[in-house]
Amino acid sequence: QKEVEQDPGPLSVPEGAIVSLNCTYSNSAFQYFMWYRQYSRKGPELLMYTYSSGNKEDGRFTAQVDKSSKYISLFIRDSQPSDSATYLCAMKPGNDYKLSFGAGTTVTVRA
Amino acid sequence: SQTIHQWPATLVQPVGSPLSLECTVEGTSNPNLYWYRQAAGRGLQLLFYSVGIGQISSEVPQNLSASRPQDRQFILSSKKLLLSDSGFYLCAWTPGDIGETQYFGPGTRLLVL
Repeated sequence: QKEVEQDPGPLSVPEGAIVSLNCTYSNSAFQYFMWYRQYSRKGPELLMYTYSSGNKEDGRFTAQVDKSSKYISLFIRDSQPSDSATYLCAMKPGNDYKLSFGAGTTVTVRA
Repeated sequence: SQTIHQWPATLVQPVGSPLSLECTVEGTSNPNLYWYRQAAGRGLQLLFYSVGIGQISSEVPQNLSASRPQDRQFILSSKKLLLSDSGFYLCAWTPGDIGETQYFGPGTRLLVL
């Protein structure tokens, strides 16, 4: 079993729809949770960062962490074609240098 | 603000040739530095990380090596490339100490023929 599970998709939605992405994990020591966006042939870009459980909102993006279920989510409201990318979840314990990554979900927003 | 650079952006090398990829970070001091490889359609594989000059931790045994000759410079090397070394190489950094998250560079695409 992988430490972080993420459905690779692909996921295709019409413009304006809500995109829902999620990851599950097995390590209860994870405390920091991140979502990265990666455009084709580019480096990952940090989108959202959350510490412990709870919700965080930034514009059209909302990140949720449920540590009791070991489940994290990213929601993109009013999706745009420019949101078409691969989304990677990542997480780490508080006392470790290393991140554990999901495999990434490829999202296409159709105009 | 902090900036991370990688070069070259793209590289095509024959099997058995040497490799040197460079990563530099600007606007910070004493960062933690990381090398990842991302194969096509696959996730990120941590190769090396460094918490200071001359301090390198290897995550995956292979024909690659890393060095950190200066505080904000991280180099990935190989004496003889294999076909399986092809991939997208990413450098990342975090602020000193443990760091809460990582920031990635633009990447180097390596094709070994």
